[in-house]
Parts: sequence; C-alpha cells; structure tokens
Amino acid sequence: KNQVEQSPQSLIILEGKNCTLQCNYTVSPFSNLRWYKQDTGRGPVSLTIMTFSENTKSNGRYTATLDADTKQSSLHITASQLSDSASYICVVSEDLGSGGYNKLIFGAGTRLAVHP
Amino acid sequence: DSGVTQTPKHLITATGQRVTLRCSPRSGDLSVYWYQQSLDQGLQFLIQYYNGEERAKGNILERFSAQQFPDLHSELNLSSLELGDSALYFCASSVDRQVPDTQYFGPGTRLTVL
Repeated sequence: KNQVEQSPQSLIILEGKNCTLQCNYTVSPFSNLRWYKQDTGRGPVSLTIMTFSENTKSNGRYTATLDADTKQSSLHITASQLSDSASYICVVSEDLGSGGYNKLIFGAGTRLAVHP
Repeated sequence: DSGVTQTPKHLITATGQRVTLRCSPRSGDLSVYWYQQSLDQGLQFLIQYYNGEERAKGNILERFSAQQFPDLHSELNLSSLELGDSALYFCASSVDRQVPDTQYFGPGTRLTVL
C-alpha cells in the first residue's frame, strides 16, 4: 500500500533554532515529492517540489532533501521564526503513467510550534 | 493570496441536507482538485477536473459529486450529509501543462453538519 509517514508528529522549538522534519514513503512508482506549509485553518502553500533526479532544493530558509533509494525526505528549517509555526505536509506523487496524471498521497503532517 | 477563491467560507447545515461548494481557479489554470480535511486528519484527495472533464477520482463518496463548468469554475455537491462530513474542503488549481505541476490551494470552506 502506498503510504507517506512523517515524523515527528509535533515539535516545539525556540525562535532562531534550526529543525529537521522527516518523511518516509513507500509510494511506487515515484514521480515527485512536495513539501507544503499549512497555517491553521488555511490552505496549504507549496514550499518545494523535487523529482527523482533532484536530491536537494531550497526555498529561502527551507531546504528539502530527497534520497530516492531509501525513500526518505527531510525538510530543514534554518533560523526559525515565529511565523514558521504551522503544519508541514509531505506529499508524494504516484506516477500513474497515462496523460501525465500523478496521484498525490499526503502525509499526516508535522505540527511545528516556534516559541519566543 | 493564491488566486484561488472558494465560497462560502463557512457553512452550517443539518444531517440529511445537501450543499454546494464553489471554487474559482487561478486565471489560466485548467485543472481543479477537491480535497477534504477532517479535524486533525491529513488531506484526502477527492476528485480532479481538467478543462471540464473528470480526470481522476480519489476517496470520494457516492453521495458527493462535482463538476467543472465552461468558465472553469467548479462545484462540489455534498448530499445526504452526515455528521462525519464535517470538515474543511479545499479546492486547488494548477496549469497542468507539465509534471510536476504546482497546485495552488484556496482558503477552504469549513462545513459543519449538526
């Protein structure tokens, strides 16, 4: 069964500190992996998208890594800010082959709280 | 602001009723996706439309249906509502000219079934 598992479930860090969120998946065939940030009660916002051939991608203070061999990804947040408090969702795309359509499989998310 | 609009923002209704949620995609986006997010649950993909045609179906109940109109806006119809249908319903849109495509999410409609 295609699954995406994220850890930790929740995390509290102090402002200015770094943190790393993990994502393990069993999705096959793999197409791409995305990280989204979702503020409470709002729609997710895309942070990064990585294909099989990419092993790192940055978006400001967010850096995502991908190891397609071990089927693991991480999202590293540098110099955290209060506004980073949100849920971070790992989404893996299953390549269904026809017409370029990919089925997205969502992880449950990691809830990050940044405290002053 | 993602450019995707959803109405209404909140909806409160009773069990057994029927409601319609509306989504307007970003200008130029041909694909519309619908997702359900129950309390403390992950996002569940419901259905995708591309340029008026259904392209993919996820975990959508038979009581739910959707359509995309010629002007590319989409509606999600939920009928015979149950307490468990209470959730945030998100619409997303994408250009869908290449894979991977970035999906832009709307602000969501919060449905409460009493």
